Amino acid sequence: DQQVKQNSPSLSVQEGRISILNCDYTNSMFDYFLWYKKYPAEGPTFLISISSIKDKNEDGRFTVFLNKSAKHLSLHIVPSQPGDSAVYFCAASKAGNNRKLIWGLGTSLAVNP
Amino acid sequence: EAGVVQSPRYKIIEKKQPVAFWCNPISGHNTLYWYRQNLGQGPELLIRYENEEAVDDSQLPKDRFSAERLKGVDSTLKIQPAELGDSAVYLCASSLSHGGPSEQYFGPGTRLTVT
Repeated sequence: DQQVKQNSPSLSVQEGRISILNCDYTNSMFDYFLWYKKYPAEGPTFLISISSIKDKNEDGRFTVFLNKSAKHLSLHIVPSQPGDSAVYFCAASKAGNNRKLIWGLGTSLAVNP
Repeated sequence: EAGVVQSPRYKIIEKKQPVAFWCNPISGHNTLYWYRQNLGQGPELLIRYENEEAVDDSQLPKDRFSAERLKGVDSTLKIQPAELGDSAVYLCASSLSHGGPSEQYFGPGTRLTVT
């Protein structure tokens, strides 16, 4: 039972354009969401997070949008750069349960020069 | 600030052999996690420590896996004996524990290959 779903295994965009990575979740109790980026042969790197009391959080080129009614969040990267090419994981947690992170399967982003 | 340190980075062993992984978390982080990640999957939590106490080891295959964090700082994860299906990347992560949600910071991982 995949509670956090990243339905696009891969995405390809041109350098300078916007990258939009999507994530859906099924558990309405999730109240904190995170995006991680992973390069080959490295551990995941924390990118940006959002609490369920917000609908947007921005950090430089990265913005996360949360639509609680749709149980959907998205990560926008503008402008996309070749160095952004990586696998992006969406993760969610809820109060209690030791704040265990529930992970999606990842989306592989390729930014083409 | 130094990140999470793991060693070794790569390990190749034959099945039925023992193997151990070491992790040193970010200074001041009292919560430590061990994850296993297979290709095309998200990280799977094996065990979580709050200081030296294992507070969630429900996903740890206790017949062959063991972990310790004796002084509440660095930690060791052991597999004995290893099986072919244990081939994966073993990730260590740490975070500050302050009662609310917090980001976990990952080490580079140990890629284990069991032949």
